[in-house]
Amino acid sequence: ILNVEQSPQSLHVQEGDSTNFTCSFPSSNFYALHWYRWETAKSPEALFVMTLNGDEKKKGRISATLNTKEGYSYLYIKGSQPEDSATYLCASNTGTASKLTFGTGTRLQVTL
Amino acid sequence: NAGVTQTPKFQVLKTGQSMTLQCAQDMNHNSMYWYRQDPGMGLRLIYYSASEGTTDKGEVPNGYNVSRLNKREFSLRLESAAPSQTSVYFCASSSWTGQNQPQHFGDGTRLSIL
Repeated sequence: ILNVEQSPQSLHVQEGDSTNFTCSFPSSNFYALHWYRWETAKSPEALFVMTLNGDEKKKGRISATLNTKEGYSYLYIKGSQPEDSATYLCASNTGTASKLTFGTGTRLQVTL
Repeated sequence: NAGVTQTPKFQVLKTGQSMTLQCAQDMNHNSMYWYRQDPGMGLRLIYYSASEGTTDKGEVPNGYNVSRLNKREFSLRLESAAPSQTSVYFCASSSWTGQNQPQHFGDGTRLSIL
């Protein structure tokens, strides 16, 4: 079983702050890296799926980068808003294209 | 557009009882998945179905069975529930099991085994 690790476990920022968190995964036999946003009492929602080393994707104020050679991805949120409060999950299907292995998530709380 | 629908949303069982969790998707997806979410752990894959007519074990299949009834529906059965199966269960689907396909999740079923 491969390990997908996320840090930090939780993060508390103020409105307007920019922030970032990390996902690390085994770099061998890499297929793809997924990011999901999971709001309380809702279901996880896909943000990005990244496959190429050096990939950078952006959706509004949220962006992500991927380094497959060293096995990490960063998620950035620019100018955090209270509605960004959620748990951010990453998942990798390193080793087998069919199955995702999820990290435990980074819980972000944005306050006024 | 409902997406992925799970029933029931909540259930309490006694040890030894059986139960089937239902999942249906209306996105014409080929692949479907069952996960469980436990405190302090990531979503763990129980079983998946790459396409209609096929099912495969995930990371934690023991104590569960699945049925891919048709392209839309993928059910998870607990034959003899145990307290260790107390968890939140999520069903997901994707267009296929290729590496660049995002998964779409249902709202979850919260299951307690007494």
